[in-house]
Amino acid sequence: SQTIHQWPATLVQPVGSPLSLECTVEGTSNPNLYWYRQAAGRGLQLLFYSVGIGQISSEVPQNLSASRPQDRQFILSSKKLLLSDSGFYLCAWSAGASTEAFFGQGTRLTVV
Amino acid sequence: DQQVKQNSPSLSVQEGRISILNCDYTNSMFDYFLWYKKYPAEGPTFLISISSIKDKNEDGRFTVFLNKSAKHLSLHIVPSQPGDSAVYFCAASRQGSQGNLIFGKGTKLSVKP
Repeated sequence: SQTIHQWPATLVQPVGSPLSLECTVEGTSNPNLYWYRQAAGRGLQLLFYSVGIGQISSEVPQNLSASRPQDRQFILSSKKLLLSDSGFYLCAWSAGASTEAFFGQGTRLTVV
Repeated sequence: DQQVKQNSPSLSVQEGRISILNCDYTNSMFDYFLWYKKYPAEGPTFLISISSIKDKNEDGRFTVFLNKSAKHLSLHIVPSQPGDSAVYFCAASRQGSQGNLIFGKGTKLSVKP
């Protein structure tokens, strides 16, 4: 069966510090991978998606970047965090277009 | 501009009664719709989906109805249970979008014993 792991679960970082959130998927090959953010009072906003190694599409211009160094690994990064980067970040995978996405447990990021 | 709208931020229902969660969309290109359930500090879990070629899909206590002409879908939970209390997200996607899901803002359902 497929599983998705996302870590850390919570993170408190000072403004201006770097960020690296990691997500890995097991039990499937060539998944579509996604990073979403849920900010206070808002729904789930798609940040990045990837259909293959090294292929990253950005949905919203911002202070964050994503990378996919391996087939089942997806990393969300920032060189310098802003207060507005605080939120609940979710990694997800799907088997392709028009299928349900499966989410990780999320990372609660607080930038102070 | 929000393409998927859940206009009710919260809903309170008595245990055993029906819960109806509503969702509207604006993009007529959407052809696949999903409902997710989310508990605090956890990732959303997939609940039920429906393709645009159908108008109803049922799975146990959960039924999703799709009205394409009105660009409206709803999730019915019968009978509602206290464990159903969570935030419910409606999501939509279209073929060729690489499975990207557009989510609504969610509706917080509270089922009271």
